[in-house]
Amino acid sequence: DTEVTQTPKHLVMGMTNKKSLKCEQHMGHRAMYWYKQKAKKPPELMFVYSYEKLSINESVPSRFSPECPNSSLLNLHLHALQPEDSALYLCASSQVGRNYGYTFGSGTRLTVV
Amino acid sequence: DAKTTQPPSMDCAEGRAANLPCNHSTISGNEYVYWYRQIHSQGPQYIIHGLKNNETNEMASLIITEDRKSSTLILPHATLRDTAVYYCIVISNTGNQFYFGTGTSLTVIP
Repeated sequence: DTEVTQTPKHLVMGMTNKKSLKCEQHMGHRAMYWYKQKAKKPPELMFVYSYEKLSINESVPSRFSPECPNSSLLNLHLHALQPEDSALYLCASSQVGRNYGYTFGSGTRLTVV
Repeated sequence: DAKTTQPPSMDCAEGRAANLPCNHSTISGNEYVYWYRQIHSQGPQYIIHGLKNNETNEMASLIITEDRKSSTLILPHATLRDTAVYYCIVISNTGNQFYFGTGTSLTVIP
């Protein structure tokens, strides 16, 4: 299995809702990542997990809450989002260590109304 | 934190070679250069990577200059399906983080 699976593919949520994005991989990768991508912009790194521990938070607002319950799963919990948080959210995984390539999922298209 | 510079857009005729340049003048000696592409609204797809030698796989070739300050991705026979944004990435010197630059939007013209 050489894929990163993200669910759901599309999500519409209200500003008062709580929702979660899910990311799963079975490649034995112990580093996992969340990226946010606005239209016509490059992906921006949000969070990095290494061995299930949060190692990097790129000053992301607290309304985004990541969680890595095991080595195969990565969640992004969403609460009280704003319309400007509408974007494509990408998950990726890699081996831990320098100079390992990433495998990306196909993303979740989030719309906040 | 992006350490690469790419032209914002390029066109290429179908069937011709597409040569996409990337400048990474601050690259360190042990940092790899990775190329990914992103077709509209999909996740980035790995193409190729290299350290100092030229590399070739079934998708593309990567030419890295001797001083490693720049590289060129070559798609030997571009097809319409190669229309995408191409990102050249140098891994962060503090770990394994990918910070994307603005990329090159390649349009393959029939």
